Amino acid sequence: EAGVAQSPRYKIIEKRQSVAFWCNPISGHATLYWYQQILGQGPKLLIQFQNNGVVDDSQLPKDRFSAERLKGVDSTLKIQPAKLEDSAVYLCASRHVREPTYEQYFGPGTRLTVT
Amino acid sequence: AQSVAQPEDQVNVAEGNPLTVKCTYSVSGNPYLFWYVQYPNRGLQFLLKYITGDNLVKGSYGFEAEFNKSQTSFHLKKPSALVSDSALYFCAVRGSRDYKLSFGAGTTVTVRA
Repeated sequence: EAGVAQSPRYKIIEKRQSVAFWCNPISGHATLYWYQQILGQGPKLLIQFQNNGVVDDSQLPKDRFSAERLKGVDSTLKIQPAKLEDSAVYLCASRHVREPTYEQYFGPGTRLTVT
Repeated sequence: AQSVAQPEDQVNVAEGNPLTVKCTYSVSGNPYLFWYVQYPNRGLQFLLKYITGDNLVKGSYGFEAEFNKSQTSFHLKKPSALVSDSALYFCAVRGSRDYKLSFGAGTTVTVRA
């Protein structure tokens, strides 16, 4: 089966600009996650969707970050305006809702550099 | 709150020697434990998991991990390391009542020929 798809793979923007990332999960996976991975750190959960509803966005900086999954399939994560500290790899992951082992499948990530 | 500690930033071993990557955790309730590997410019790849049952878990690419409840540890092991095992390894935990996965900071493994 096809894996989790993300685009773009790399993005360089200046601070205060806007950027958007796209994720298409594995077909049939109702649960979708966005993680932020800063260099030298483990991934940190930003937001979790179940179908098109938000399950947890407690660690999402809502003043500048937003995410949506309107039709319960693909998702977009937006940053507006970007700050230098947003430089990171943004990982999307998905999981089948009835996956008994709770394993998440990760996409290749989008590496964002804010200058 | 749940957390994961990977006490070693880097592990260096010679090819053919045993490899161990350490992980300790803190979580409420029964732990669900995972190891992921990340190669340069790639996403995280699942290696193995412990949910319940046998404390010794076998996973992909010859890796295994031992769950130790009393020491709250889940160390990753490979009896004979390969140069191709050089990568960044992450340990992760979630509680049985919490869907959120918490990751350690990662351990960079370098296997020299």
